[in-house]
Amino acid sequence: QKEVEQDPGPLSVPEGAIVSLNCTYSNSAFQYFMWYRQYSRKGPELLMYTYSSGNKEDGRFTAQVDKSSKYISLFIRDSQPSDSATYLCAMNSARQLTFGSGTQLTVLP
Amino acid sequence: ETGVTQSPTHLIKTRGQQVTLRCSSQSGHNTVSWYQQALGQGPQFIFQYYREEENGRGNFPPRFSGLQFPNYSSELNVNALELDDSALYLCASSSEGHEQFFGPGTRLTVL
Repeated sequence: QKEVEQDPGPLSVPEGAIVSLNCTYSNSAFQYFMWYRQYSRKGPELLMYTYSSGNKEDGRFTAQVDKSSKYISLFIRDSQPSDSATYLCAMNSARQLTFGSGTQLTVLP
Repeated sequence: ETGVTQSPTHLIKTRGQQVTLRCSSQSGHNTVSWYQQALGQGPQFIFQYYREEENGRGNFPPRFSGLQFPNYSSELNVNALELDDSALYLCASSSEGHEQFFGPGTRLTVL
């Protein structure tokens, strides 16, 4: 069993839709949770960084962490075609990041 | 503020050869981590360097080695290349916190 599980998709939604991306994890030592966005053939770009359980909002993005269920989510409101990318969840306990396999998202105009 | 840069962008090698990839960390960052990302997968942690010392290593064989220099830039060396080493190699820099910022990557193809 992988330490971090992420639905690979692909996920296709119409412009303006609310997108929900999810990851589950098994390692209770994970304390820090991140979401990265990766465009094709580019490096990952840090979108959200959270530590505690609860919600964190930044513009159209909301990151949610539920440590008791070992479940994290990223919500994208009013999705745009420019949001089309692969979204990677990541988490760490020490310095190294453990990533999910990524969810490929396409937002159709 | 300059972000993380990596060179070269692309590289083609043959099996058995050796390769060196380079990374310049973001200004103010003293820690560099290297990751391997196979097609369709999330990045896998190779190792991390902090103040010129290896500070953690993932499940990669010894033929993957690295260096960090006094200016915090870093190199990843891979000896005896295998076909499965074909991947995007990512460098990430960080300071004392846990947020890691990635460079654009080096795409390595082993023939």
